[in-house]
Amino acid sequence: EVQLVESGGGLVQPGGSLRLSCAASGFTFSNYAISWVRQAPEKGLDWISAISGSGGSTYYADSVKGRFTISRDNSKNMLYLQMNSLRAEDTAVYYCAKHPYSGSFSPLDYWGQGTLVTVSS
Amino acid sequence: EIVLTQSPGTLSLSPGERATLSCRASQSVSSSHLAWYQQKPGQAPRLLIYGASSRATGIPDRFSGSGSGTDFTLTISRLEPEDFAVYYCQQYGSSPYTFGQGTKLEIK
Repeated sequence: EVQLVESGGGLVQPGGSLRLSCAASGFTFSNYAISWVRQAPEKGLDWISAISGSGGSTYYADSVKGRFTISRDNSKNMLYLQMNSLRAEDTAVYYCAKHPYSGSFSPLDYWGQGTLVTVSS
Repeated sequence: EIVLTQSPGTLSLSPGERATLSCRASQSVSSSHLAWYQQKPGQAPRLLIYGASSRATGIPDRFSGSGSGTDFTLTISRLEPEDFAVYYCQQYGSSPYTFGQGTKLEIK
């Protein structure tokens, strides 16, 4: 069974940093691209970043480019999102979601349950 | 960036009725790389349709997708009580892989 479990969320002050993790199981992790998608309270879905199965290709939304870094450790079946220079508008539930292929030009077929990040003083 | 606009914002229907949801793109979506997701309160989204018209694994055949280029449609042929939720379209043909703002399907 495919499982994606996010962790690392919490309360952080504006300008601060946080690293989210996503633990994957039930599939050959290195064969699949993974994305991070966020959802602000009572708002819609917002795709923010993707990484290919090998980790060699990464993609970002303009809203997080230069502040967030996506990475993966295929030996540990782990995905990460390093978030720096956090702003109030980054407050959201952050989901990791799997693509069905190694490349990210594909839909999101499995999702984790999300971790809440709150940016506030 | 491709902007996706969904309509209507809210759709009020009764169980047994047919639902038609629209997703319009600001520019052509390459290779019909368009997906639809369903999200219920407190839950993660679930993939329903990919490639504009292919149903994901385990999705009932009352859900169907159509369209190409800039105009896409999700149709639910006969609404079941569990279908009332928020629906999002997403394009994954070019980065950033944008979502529409969602259509809330509510019980009339």
